[in-house]
Amino acid sequence: DAKTTQPNSMESNEEEPVHLPCNHSTISGTDYIHWYRQLPSQGPEYVIHGLTSNVNNRMASLAIAEDRKSSTLILHRATLRDAAVYYCILREASNTDKLIFGTGTRLQVFP
Amino acid sequence: NAGVTQTPKFQVLKTGQSMTLQCAQDMNHNSMYWYRQDPGMGLRLIYYSASEGTTDKGEVPNGYNVSRLNKREFSLRLESAAPSQTSVYFCASRETIGDSPLHFGNGTRLTVT
Repeated sequence: DAKTTQPNSMESNEEEPVHLPCNHSTISGTDYIHWYRQLPSQGPEYVIHGLTSNVNNRMASLAIAEDRKSSTLILHRATLRDAAVYYCILREASNTDKLIFGTGTRLQVFP
Repeated sequence: NAGVTQTPKFQVLKTGQSMTLQCAQDMNHNSMYWYRQDPGMGLRLIYYSASEGTTDKGEVPNGYNVSRLNKREFSLRLESAAPSQTSVYFCASRETIGDSPLHFGNGTRLTVT
């Protein structure tokens, strides 16, 4: 079964870039890598997802390793509002739609 | 465009009572999910449904039943509530084709006393 591994916590200063890593060494060839975040006392929200190429949107960038066994969510300039738990997820197996969240990375941003 | 709508927003139950959490989506998505989140913890998958008429167990299905009534609606039932089921419950949906992102509802905060 595909699983993801993330650090429990990370810290950043405001306006600095943040690189949040995720390992997914058992990913299948057709699975997208999804990132979500959960702000304090709120529900999860979608951040970005990608398959092979690096992806950019207004919230973040996603850098995917060439072998797809790891990826990095990049926040270009962290703000206090980016303090959240960030989850990297993918399907448990290519023949299922089961999406398991794991414990994520808690990002602290300091002024 | 409402997205994913969960009802109720809050509920207090006594141990042994039953209730159904409702979830509806208006995006014509095939897949729907129920997660629970205990205080300070991550989301855990209870049940999911990859299409109308099918349901599958997630990580923590014990004590719950689900029903995919039609493509729009996916309900979660607690037959005999226990204090251990005190949690915030999130419903989500997505289009399976293309491994699309999840869309979440605002959650139901359930307390069982």
